[in-house]
Formats: sequence, C-alpha cells, structure tokens
Amino acid sequence: EIVLTQSPGTLSLSPGERVTLSCRASQSVSSSYLAWYQQKPGQAPRLLIYGASSRATGIPDRFSGRGSGTDFTLTISRLEPEDFAVYYCQQYGSSPTFGQGTKVEIK
Amino acid sequence: QVQLQESGPGLVKPSQTLSLTCTVSGGSISSGGYYWTWIRQHPGKGLEWIGYIYYSGSTYYNPSLKSRVTISVDTSKNQLSLKLSSVTAADTAVYYCARVGIVGAWRGYFDYWGQGTLVTVSS
Repeated sequence: EIVLTQSPGTLSLSPGERVTLSCRASQSVSSSYLAWYQQKPGQAPRLLIYGASSRATGIPDRFSGRGSGTDFTLTISRLEPEDFAVYYCQQYGSSPTFGQGTKVEIK
Repeated sequence: QVQLQESGPGLVKPSQTLSLTCTVSGGSISSGGYYWTWIRQHPGKGLEWIGYIYYSGSTYYNPSLKSRVTISVDTSKNQLSLKLSSVTAADTAVYYCARVGIVGAWRGYFDYWGQGTLVTVSS
C-alpha cells in the first residue's frame, strides 16, 4: 500500500495569500497518477487536479499541481474566501489511497 | 451533468450487513468508459477507498476490506450497491459513491461524487 503524507496539517492564512501544500508518497506513484480534492464541511470532496497537474473541469486556474515520483504539490496562487477547506491528495496508480488532509483555515 | 445519490439505512446493528444503493442520473452506467466506486470517511477523519465496479460486474476491492465487501451493479436501474458484512462500530462512517475516470486497468480518478450518507453501527 502506498502511504501518502501531507504537510502541514493545518495552515492559517489570509485571503489573497499564496499557498503550497505538500504530498509525499512512500513509494513512487506510477505515471503521476496523483489527484487533489477539496472538501468543505458537510460536503463531498471535489476533484481539483488529476494526473498530478491537469485541472478538472470548471476548476479556476489559480489552482495548479505539479510533481512526480514521490513528491507532489498543490498551489493556490491567491486564496479566495471559498478556498478555505480541507485538501486531500490521492494516488490511483495502485489500490487507491488518500493522504490525511491539510486544513487551510482563515487567519 | 452526472449526479449520484446514496440511499440506505442510517443505523445498522453490530454483526449485521450494511447495505447501500447509489442511483446515477445524467448518464448511463452501462455506456461504459467509467468505473464506479465506493469510498468512506470515518467521522472527522480521512478517506478510505472501498472498491471499484465496472458495468459488466467486474470488481476490484480494497484488500483490507475484501473479505467483507460486495459491490454490484443493476444497469436496468442505473444503480450500484454496496454490502459490507459483519459490521462493527469501526464501520461507522459517511459512505460516498463516485464515478471513476478510467486511465488504466482499475486505475482512475474520482470525478463525480454523491453527497454521502452517514451510517452508524450501534445496537
């Protein structure tokens, strides 16, 4: 099983700031089969990024993903009020697993 | 726009079988091109993948749950179902169904999700 470790656990930021979230895999993720999801309280996760760097349909271009192998990042270039949420990475190169999440909260 | 909706009992007794249904609208399960999946989220915790199914009925399960899980599909009703046997309090979670964008054999990202349904295991 590939274990995904996200850091940091929580970020306290202000609207307008730039943020980069980290996701590290215990072994290489084949073909960059890495996705990012956003989850708000009481809602289902929403797909943001797949294939490590491809934005899902309707996702604003302030969200970007990059990485390969074992190290991946999600960057939000300028935080909007609606971006405060929990973010999960997920690998689907083998039996899918998720990271434990990073909470982005309002400072 | 594809929509998914989970349904089923919100309370299940320990040792019994949890049964949920996911109804898909806005697209046909039998058109192929996608897997369908169940995921769960323990209260206040992260996400755990349960298993995949293709419209043909082929399945692929999480090894840690495989002995207790059955996922099936009813193409005539455009539904998929989840059965989890011998439940304990550790199976209390929000259960989601989702569509899987296929990128390879039993590989894909989860692009449409249902709203989720909370199942509590308690006597």
